[in-house]
Amino acid sequence: GEDVEQSLFLSVREGDSSVINCTYTDSSSTYLYWYKQEPGAGLQLLTYIFSNMDMKQDQRLTVLLNKKDKHLSLRIADTQTGDSAIYFCAEKEGADGLTFGKGTHLIIQP
Amino acid sequence: KAGVTQTPRYLIKTRGQQVTLSCSPISGHRSVSWYQQTPGQGLQFLFEYFSETQRNKGNFPGRFSGRQFSNSRSEMNVSTLELGDSALYLCASSARLASDTQYFGPGTRLTVL
Repeated sequence: GEDVEQSLFLSVREGDSSVINCTYTDSSSTYLYWYKQEPGAGLQLLTYIFSNMDMKQDQRLTVLLNKKDKHLSLRIADTQTGDSAIYFCAEKEGADGLTFGKGTHLIIQP
Repeated sequence: KAGVTQTPRYLIKTRGQQVTLSCSPISGHRSVSWYQQTPGQGLQFLFEYFSETQRNKGNFPGRFSGRQFSNSRSEMNVSTLELGDSALYLCASSARLASDTQYFGPGTRLTVL
């Protein structure tokens, strides 16, 4: 079955770039997503990339997709304290529901 | 546009009881999906409804059921609650079925005692 893997924790200094990585196994995934979850809240859609794209940039966010290695990354430029949250990578194939990774806790050091 | 709304936000039940959770999608969205989030299993897909019909179902027992109304609002029901059903239940809406982007509500925190 499908599986999405992420590192559990990432610690960065305020002002640096954060790079959160994700690997997936379903080669037929049509869309890949990044969601953000703050404590006690639901999931906020950050960005998504269609499987025929290599890169997508949206303000401070850059998504890179390597289809050959089934690797997805989210880069957050100039990381701020408000970026502290759990970041989920998710894939969707056809009519199936989203398959999520376990989430990466982004910790910001002052 | 208002986002996805879920009621109630918090719920406490005891084992053996049943519970109904409600979700109102973004105006104009016709698809509603439900997910369960627990510390151990993470986020897992429960089911998806479109045009009042269940279109897809995850790997959950029959105690978990749902329905969708003609105005696209959806309810999820869990019967004979177990301690392991304690979780954050998230609803997501999308404009159409399948590959459309899903937008999530704040969730309902269910605690089973």
